[in-house]
Amino acid sequence: SQKIEQNSEALNIQEGKTATLTCNYTNYSPAYLQWYRQDPGRGPVFLLLIRENEKEKRKERLKVTFDTTLKQSLFHITASQPADSATYLCALASSSGNTGKLIFGQGTTLQVKP
Amino acid sequence: GAVVSQHPSWVICKSGTSVKIECRSLDFQATTMFWYRQFPKQSLMLMATSNEGSKATYEQGVEKDKFLINHASLTLSTLTVTSAHPEDSSFYICSARDPLAGGNEQFFGPGTRLTVL
Repeated sequence: SQKIEQNSEALNIQEGKTATLTCNYTNYSPAYLQWYRQDPGRGPVFLLLIRENEKEKRKERLKVTFDTTLKQSLFHITASQPADSATYLCALASSSGNTGKLIFGQGTTLQVKP
Repeated sequence: GAVVSQHPSWVICKSGTSVKIECRSLDFQATTMFWYRQFPKQSLMLMATSNEGSKATYEQGVEKDKFLINHASLTLSTLTVTSAHPEDSSFYICSARDPLAGGNEQFFGPGTRLTVL
């Protein structure tokens, strides 16, 4: 069965540093992978989508890479700020055709300390 | 970006009662909406795919007779938790795709916190 793992439950870094979050998956080849941000008690907010034929995508201070050989995506936040503190979720498109269904990882909670 | 709302944002009910949660796409029409459940410290678990004008598609292990989904219009889907029990207490979140946006990203509602006493 499809399995998604995010490298750690929690990540603590100092303000200004680059945060790197990892998402690994097995038993599947998704057409695309997405990253979301979730604040406590709120719904997830879409950040970035990267397709299987794309190696890297950037948006402001965010960068996502997608290695289909390693079955891994890395999510980077450069020049991190305390406001970046949140839980970050990776999500894969389900293998059930083009239904739009997503399978989510368990999330990594990032804490950026001033 | 597209906006999705949910109502209510939180609800407390007695065991055995039914609770209805609404999910609306405010500035776009969504032929498909998704319902998720999230327990504390856990990720989102897809419960069902709500299709406008047809029956919902439920994920394995989700009781369709307990979690009734109605997608009567292109902007509204409802989830009714019937005969709720304390173990149904959770954070319920809906999402929708904007077909005209051309992408595959999902836009999520703010969630509904259900507490069953």
